[in-house]
Amino acid sequence: EPEVTQTPSHQVTQMGQEVILRCVPISNHLYFYWYRQILGQKVEFLVSFYNNEISEKSEIFDDQFSVERPDGSNFTLKIRSTKLEDSAMYFCASSTRTGNTEAFFGQGTRLTVV
Amino acid sequence: DQQVKQNSPSLSVQEGRISILNCDYTNSMFDYFLWYKKYPAEGPTFLISISSIKDKNEDGRFTVFLNKSAKHLSLHIVPSQPGDSAVYFCAARRSGTYKYIFGTGTRLKVLA
Repeated sequence: EPEVTQTPSHQVTQMGQEVILRCVPISNHLYFYWYRQILGQKVEFLVSFYNNEISEKSEIFDDQFSVERPDGSNFTLKIRSTKLEDSAMYFCASSTRTGNTEAFFGQGTRLTVV
Repeated sequence: DQQVKQNSPSLSVQEGRISILNCDYTNSMFDYFLWYKKYPAEGPTFLISISSIKDKNEDGRFTVFLNKSAKHLSLHIVPSQPGDSAVYFCAARRSGTYKYIFGTGTRLKVLA
């Protein structure tokens, strides 16, 4: 069964460092998303991406964040200068279309900023 | 911004009995609702969804009910199995947007 894969599963980084989280969405999907879940809190939307551009972003997704689909298969989330409060599980998701359809999530990358 | 609320943080049910997980929402513009299950250290796994034009959707042991006037949805699991023990999130989306708004989750424990 096709699945969304994320690497690495766990990333530890020093405050102020740049970090890139990687995702391979399901191959025939067109819409891509990043969500995050801070420990003990709810899953929060960060950004959606379609046709090589951001289609929607939340207020969390400030100038420190960027997304890219560099090669037609990978979908990356970059955090330029990490802060302690960026520590969270980051989930990539993809869907075939917008409208009434479910998104399929990867297993997540646990980012720990120290 | 608590647009989607799951007021019960946890629920324990005996194996074979019905599990009922509840979710309330405040935004009347939501028109698509989903339930996800999440195990520790894994991503959310899609379970079942319902469009606002329906009031019930069934898939095997899982049934989702939508009461638009009350802005309430529920997930019924019958019969509950120990493997159903996980955190369950409801999520909602408004037409014309791309983002799902998640609730805080309910931890279901099915006792053998």
